[in-house]
Amino acid sequence: DQQVKQNSPSLSVQEGRISILNCDYTNSMFDYFLWYKKYPAEGPTFLISISSIKDKNEDGRFTVFLNKSAKHLSLHIVPSQPGDSAVYFCAASAWGIYNQGGKLIFGQGTELSVKP
Amino acid sequence: EAGVTQSPTHLIKTRGQQATLRCSPISGHTSVYWYQQALGLGLQFLLWYDEGEERNRGNFPPRFSGRQFPNYSSELNVNALELEDSALYLCASSDEGGHTEAFFGQGTRLTVV
Repeated sequence: DQQVKQNSPSLSVQEGRISILNCDYTNSMFDYFLWYKKYPAEGPTFLISISSIKDKNEDGRFTVFLNKSAKHLSLHIVPSQPGDSAVYFCAASAWGIYNQGGKLIFGQGTELSVKP
Repeated sequence: EAGVTQSPTHLIKTRGQQATLRCSPISGHTSVYWYQQALGLGLQFLLWYDEGEERNRGNFPPRFSGRQFPNYSSELNVNALELEDSALYLCASSDEGGHTEAFFGQGTRLTVV
């Protein structure tokens, strides 16, 4: 039972264009969502987060959109740079549910390749 | 500011042995989390410690255990190692009892032979 899904295992984008990474979830009790970037053999690096009470959050080149009715969130990277090439994970948490505190549920990741 | 640090970077153990992995959180963070990333799989939640107490654990057998020390550093112990325990073990920390973003360390690559 995969509660957080990233259906695209890979994405290739030209430098300077927009990268859009998508994530779907099934549990309507999730109240906080995060995006992480991960390089091989390294730990995930936090990028940006969004609370379920918002529908958009921006930080520089990164914007996360949340559509609660569709149980869908997306990460937009504009403009994309070759250094953005990495695996991107979305994650969700549900602090309001008993026994779910402290737990991040991760998607399987999308490998982004930004070509010069 | 130093990030989350984990040791050792790599660890090779024989099946049946015990492995001990260590984690130092970011200064000021009281919550420590452990995750497992097995080959080809996503990150799976293992344990959450806050203020020295185990607050939650994922769907892992009891041979996965740990503790958090008064300085908030943490140790993950895996007993009776099995081949499928081979994975990248990631530690993360956060403040405010975990209601904020978690920051990850570089991980410990455990190989069981």
